Amino acid sequence: EAGVAQSPRYKIIEKRQSVAFWCNPISGHATLYWYQQILGQGPKLLIQFQNNGVVDDSQLPKDRFSAERLKGVDSTLKIQPAKLEDSAVYLCASSRGLDKETQYFGPGTRLLVL
Amino acid sequence: GNSVTQMEGPVTLSEEAFLTINCTYTATGYPSLFWYVQYPGEGLQLLLKATKADDKGSNKGFEATYRKETTSFHLEKGSVQVSDSAVYFCALSESNDYKLSFGAGTTVTVRA
Repeated sequence: EAGVAQSPRYKIIEKRQSVAFWCNPISGHATLYWYQQILGQGPKLLIQFQNNGVVDDSQLPKDRFSAERLKGVDSTLKIQPAKLEDSAVYLCASSRGLDKETQYFGPGTRLLVL
Repeated sequence: GNSVTQMEGPVTLSEEAFLTINCTYTATGYPSLFWYVQYPGEGLQLLLKATKADDKGSNKGFEATYRKETTSFHLEKGSVQVSDSAVYFCALSESNDYKLSFGAGTTVTVRA
């Protein structure tokens, strides 16, 4: 079974630029999560999708971050404009509808904002 | 709200030493508890989990017991190997939304 795919793996941008990350969850997984992991900290949930609907985006800085999951499969996370403090690893995870507790993580996208 | 506090690192051990990483939690309900591991250059992987009080999760020689009375879920391994060098994260999720709340992570280095 293929795992969660993410791209790009690394991205360097300047502040005020925009950036987008892509995630392809495990086939058949209904729930998709985006986490932000700042260096030295544990991952923090940004947004949770169930199929193509948003379940929780309470921690998403909506003035600059946006996410979508069209057709309930792939998802994109966008930052516009980026700030220095957005430098982090962005992790995508997915889980089955019936066994929601086990989340499977992708390798992450490491973002550096200069 | 929910929170997880785990032992600060880094932790450096010799091969075959005993490893303990402490984890305590605060939750409003009856959460499920997890240990995730992140090996160098790889993504987070579920190591083990426990879904109710007194459950013991185990995998790859690691164990953790869900202790409701002490709100703890300490990770242990009796004899570590160099390949156990990684960052270990304790996490919890509530049964009503399955969102994971993570601790800050503990970096473990095992020397030959």
